Amino acid sequence: GQQLNQSPQSMFIQEGEDVSMNCTSSSIFNTWLWYKQDPGEGPVLLIALYKAGELTSNGRLTAQFGITRKDSFLNISASIPSDVGIYFCAGQRDTDSWGKLQFGAGTQVVVTP
Amino acid sequence: DGGITQSPKYLFRKEGQNVTLSCEQNLNHDAMYWYRQDPGQGLRLIYYSQIVNDFQKGDIAEGYSVSREKKESFPLTVTSAQKNPTAFYLCASSINASPLHFGNGTRLTVT
Repeated sequence: GQQLNQSPQSMFIQEGEDVSMNCTSSSIFNTWLWYKQDPGEGPVLLIALYKAGELTSNGRLTAQFGITRKDSFLNISASIPSDVGIYFCAGQRDTDSWGKLQFGAGTQVVVTP
Repeated sequence: DGGITQSPKYLFRKEGQNVTLSCEQNLNHDAMYWYRQDPGQGLRLIYYSQIVNDFQKGDIAEGYSVSREKKESFPLTVTSAQKNPTAFYLCASSINASPLHFGNGTRLTVT
């Protein structure tokens, strides 16, 4: 299956800075999901997006479902040390393929004090 | 507490041996999934099951087998036919089109 193009691959930022990452695809998706994974753990859902143009926040996190339905971005504001981890985007094409997600390769975020 | 339990956390096997990874959920979710994760890559779908006694191949099913005899359980067998079995394996579940909920994974090392 096609994987999503996620960028950047890694980010080294100072505590307090904002973080931005995005995913793009040549295919249209009906759902975009953003997950965070800590080392040796499973991914944890951060934000789910179901409608083109939708902008959703979860605390310091904000994610948007691109209007073309081929992209999504995630912003983290005022980063803190516990934001360290790998962030994955995931897309789903249609309701018949629920759970059959296409994943990006992840963005490794490192936060320095 | 409801959740997905994968066991063991770490598994070591010799090449040529079959190995079964356990996944149990008490979330009463209908659908269960197995994904494989390799360093620097996104997760890739191995198998999924939307209902008991039924399962479908994902994108990389070759060398793997599954069963779904109970709603709570979806074990994955990595057979000797899988050419590159060393990876981090993640089990997930969902219900009624909700986002996937993942377990904490099993790291399999085959030497």
